[in-house]
Amino acid sequence: QVQLVESGGGVVQPGRSLRLSCAASGFTFSTYAMHWVRQAPGKGLEWVAVMWYDGSNQYYADSVKGRFTISRDNSKNTLYLQMNRLRAEDTAVYYCARDCMRFGYSSSWFDYWGQGTLVTVSS
Amino acid sequence: DIVMTQSPDSLAVSLGERATINCKSSQSVLYSSTNKNYLAWYQQKPGQPPKLLIYWASTRESGVPDRFSGSGSGTDFTLTINSLQAEDVAVYYCQQYYSTPLTFGGGTKVEIK
Repeated sequence: QVQLVESGGGVVQPGRSLRLSCAASGFTFSTYAMHWVRQAPGKGLEWVAVMWYDGSNQYYADSVKGRFTISRDNSKNTLYLQMNRLRAEDTAVYYCARDCMRFGYSSSWFDYWGQGTLVTVSS
Repeated sequence: DIVMTQSPDSLAVSLGERATINCKSSQSVLYSSTNKNYLAWYQQKPGQPPKLLIYWASTRESGVPDRFSGSGSGTDFTLTINSLQAEDVAVYYCQQYYSTPLTFGGGTKVEIK
């Protein structure tokens, strides 16, 4: 069965960096685009970034552009999110989610989600 | 960016009754070349990640009970829960995938009256 397991969250001071990981199993990771979606405490869902299945392209929300970098290692079935210059408003549960389309070059809906990892940015 | 607006913010429905959630997009999410609406619905229960319910505005995901249905086209969409069950208590979100950035509605909380 499809499993997505996020890790790397924690408490970090404003301006510092953190890297999240998402370990995927139960499907052919290298054939699906993968996303990061976040949810601030008590708030709604916010899409963060996507990387195509082959790593050929990535897109970001304006709120994180220039500070966050999405990447993947298809040999390790792992998705990453490098978060730099963190701000208090980046505090959220970060989910990795699978795009529904195989070999797709556009974003679609999310058919599987991880349980999320909490990032708290606070001094 | 396409702004998704859901209404109401919350609603309380008696067990066995119908719940109706609305979602409006700031521009059409109907792609003319495919004649499909690029809209999905999710259910999120407390402490859990979202779960996919509906895609292409009206196609139910495998395993989702048929009391959940989606309708609408263009800019106006509806998620209907017929015969509400206790396990349907959750927050529901719409999401457009017509263009990047992908955007979600603000969510609608469904409770039991």
